[in-house]
Amino acid sequence: GAVVSQHPSRVICKSGTSVKIECRSLDFQATTMFWYRQFPKQSLMLMATSNEGSKATYEQGVEKDKFLINHASLTLSTLTVTSAHPEDSSFYICSARPPRGYGYTFGSGTRLTVV
Amino acid sequence: GQQLNQSPQSMFIQEGEDVSMNCTSSSIFNTWLWYKQDPGEGPVLLIALYKAGELTSNGRLTAQFGITRKDSFLNISASIPSDVGIYFCAGQLITSYGKLTFGQGTILTVHP
Repeated sequence: GAVVSQHPSRVICKSGTSVKIECRSLDFQATTMFWYRQFPKQSLMLMATSNEGSKATYEQGVEKDKFLINHASLTLSTLTVTSAHPEDSSFYICSARPPRGYGYTFGSGTRLTVV
Repeated sequence: GQQLNQSPQSMFIQEGEDVSMNCTSSSIFNTWLWYKQDPGEGPVLLIALYKAGELTSNGRLTAQFGITRKDSFLNISASIPSDVGIYFCAGQLITSYGKLTFGQGTILTVHP
C-alpha cells in the first residue's frame, strides 16, 4: 500500500513552452501533497505544499506564477512549469503522507529537460 | 532555513562491512525518516521513527531517534552491493505542518 505515482518520468520540452507533471496517490487519499526539486548530486528542496481544494503554499524564493500547482481531488496534484527555460531543467519529485505508519511516500520523479 | 547536518557525505566500503551514518540538528524534530534513493528514482522509505529514543530495525537496517530529538542514526549491517545509493535523513519539525527537511545525503559505494 501507500503508492504515489508520478507521470511522466521524463520530458523534454522547448524553451517557452509549458509542461504538466501529475502526482497521484493510488491507494489512499491525500489532502496534502508536496513538490520537491532536486539538482544533480544535491538534496531535495521543498518547492511547495499542495492542498486539496485550496491554494498551494510556496516556499520562499519559488515563483508561484512559474510553478502552478493544482490539487483538485484527494488523489491528484499537478505541477505545471510555465514558460520553461533551460534553468528549470531538474528532477521534480512529489510526495504524500499516507495514514500514520508509512512515513512520507515519494513518486518516482520527473526528469525535465528544457532545450 | 532549517538544515540537517548529515554525515558522512560519502562512504566507500567492502561488501560485508557495517555502515553507520547520522544526522544532527539544532532544532527539535518530532519525526525522523530515513530514505534511500537510486539514480533517476524517487526516495524510498527505509525506516520511520516517531518517538524519542525509539530504536527500529528493518532487516539489516537499524535506526534510532535520539533522546534529545535533535539527532538520528542509521546503521546497515553486513553490506551487500545492492546497498549502493544515496541515503537521506529527513526530519519533521513540530511546527512544520507536515513539511520535511532533508539532510545533504550520504553516497554509499560498496565494493564486491
